[in-house]
Amino acid sequence: EVVMTQSPGTLAVSPGETATLSCRASQSIGSNLAWYQQKPGQAPRLLIYGAATRATGIPVRFSGRGSGTEFTLTISSLQSEDFVVYYCQQYDNWPPITFGQGTRLEIK
Amino acid sequence: EVQVVDSGGGLIQPGGSLKLSCAASGFSLSSYEVNWVRQAPGKGLEWVSYISRSGSTIHYADSVKGRFTISRDNAKTSVFLQMNSLRAEDTAVYYCAVGASYSDGTTSYVWFHPWGQGTLVTVSS
Repeated sequence: EVVMTQSPGTLAVSPGETATLSCRASQSIGSNLAWYQQKPGQAPRLLIYGAATRATGIPVRFSGRGSGTEFTLTISSLQSEDFVVYYCQQYDNWPPITFGQGTRLEIK
Repeated sequence: EVQVVDSGGGLIQPGGSLKLSCAASGFSLSSYEVNWVRQAPGKGLEWVSYISRSGSTIHYADSVKGRFTISRDNAKTSVFLQMNSLRAEDTAVYYCAVGASYSDGTTSYVWFHPWGQGTLVTVSS
C-alpha cells in the first residue's frame, strides 16, 4: 500500500499571502496524484489531477507540482474561502487508492 | 447541471445491513467508473470500493472486504453499495465518487470527480 503523508497538519497563513502544502508518497507514483479541497459539511472538490493539471473551473491561483514521491499544492493570493482542509490522493499503485491525512489551512 | 446523488444512509444496529445508492443527473453514470469513499466523523477520507464501467472489475478496501458488495444495475444508471455485518467503525459519511480516469491499456488510473453530497451511516445500538 502506498502511504501518503501530508505536511504540515495545520498551516497558518495570512489572507493575501501564499500557502504551500506538501504531500509525500512512500514510493514513486509518477504524476498520478490529485488534490482535493473540502469545506465544512461539504463533499471534497477536485482541484488538481495529474499532479499539475487544474480541474475545470479551478482558479489559476491553485497550482500543483511534483513527481515521483514529492508533491506540492500552492495557493497564492489566499482568500477567506480557501481556509479549509486539503487532501492529496494517489492513484498510481492501487488497490487501495490512498489519501493523505489532510492539511488544515487556517487564518494567521 | 452535472450532479451525483447518493442516498440510503441511516441509523443501523451493529451486525445489521444497509444498501446505499448512487445516481447521476446531467450525465450517464453508465459511462464511468464509480467509487465509494467514506469519512468517519472528524477524520480523513478513506477509499472503500471501485467498480468498472462494465462491472467486470471490482475492488475493495481490506477493511470492508467480505462484508460490502458494490454493484451496478443492468442499465448501469445506478451503483449500489450493499453493506452487511456493519460495525461501529463503519460509521461515516459515505460519498459516491465518479471516476475520472485514463488507461495505459492494462491499468486504469482513477481520480474522483464529481462527488455526491454524501449520505451518513451510523452504526450504533
